Amino acid sequence: NAGVTQTPKFQVLKTGQSMTLQCAQDMNHNSMYWYRQDPGMGLRLIYYSASEGTTDKGEVPNGYNVSRLNKREFSLRLESAAPSQTSVYFCASTPLVLNSPLHFGNGTRLTVT
Amino acid sequence: QQQVKQSPQSLIVQKGGISIINCAYENTAFDYFPWYQQFPGKGPALLIAIRPDVSEKKEGRFTISFNKSAKQFSLHIMDSQPGDSATYFCAAGGSSYKLIFGSGTRLLVRP
Repeated sequence: NAGVTQTPKFQVLKTGQSMTLQCAQDMNHNSMYWYRQDPGMGLRLIYYSASEGTTDKGEVPNGYNVSRLNKREFSLRLESAAPSQTSVYFCASTPLVLNSPLHFGNGTRLTVT
Repeated sequence: QQQVKQSPQSLIVQKGGISIINCAYENTAFDYFPWYQQFPGKGPALLIAIRPDVSEKKEGRFTISFNKSAKQFSLHIMDSQPGDSATYFCAAGGSSYKLIFGSGTRLLVRP
């Protein structure tokens, strides 16, 4: 089992460019999440999808859009990247069971210059 | 309030010592308190979790202590080992299926 797979691992963008971060899980989990990790700020929830066909905003959704393509895949799009979006992005998934653990991917390190 | 406050930001412990990381929360609706461990270049992974109906949970060298009245919980790592060197995150969650994470503690265990 690969678990949660994120692509790419690293990306450098110029201000104003767009890109999509990809995430796929092979654990048949219902819920998927996108977090960003910044020094001293922990993990902050950007968007989540409780089940296929639904998406909701988290703590820091501004500047991002998401698509739950199917049960396996949940993508995060930056339409016009800004330096403030320089961060490490983590995708996570969990079965739709209350308080079940999050399974994280290994992250995408994004730098916006 | 949704914040989870975590301290210290960094911690250095000698091999064999006890590592203690503290967290405080504000929202009394939270009913699930996990700790995640993260190694460099990897995503966080669940280490241990507690529900508020118990005051302590132990798994091997790792113990969570929970104080409901003070709205605080802590992670104790007994007999700390160099392999425990990692970043630790506390978190809190409720019925919304969303976790609120603390800011993280970078632990270094010296040989």
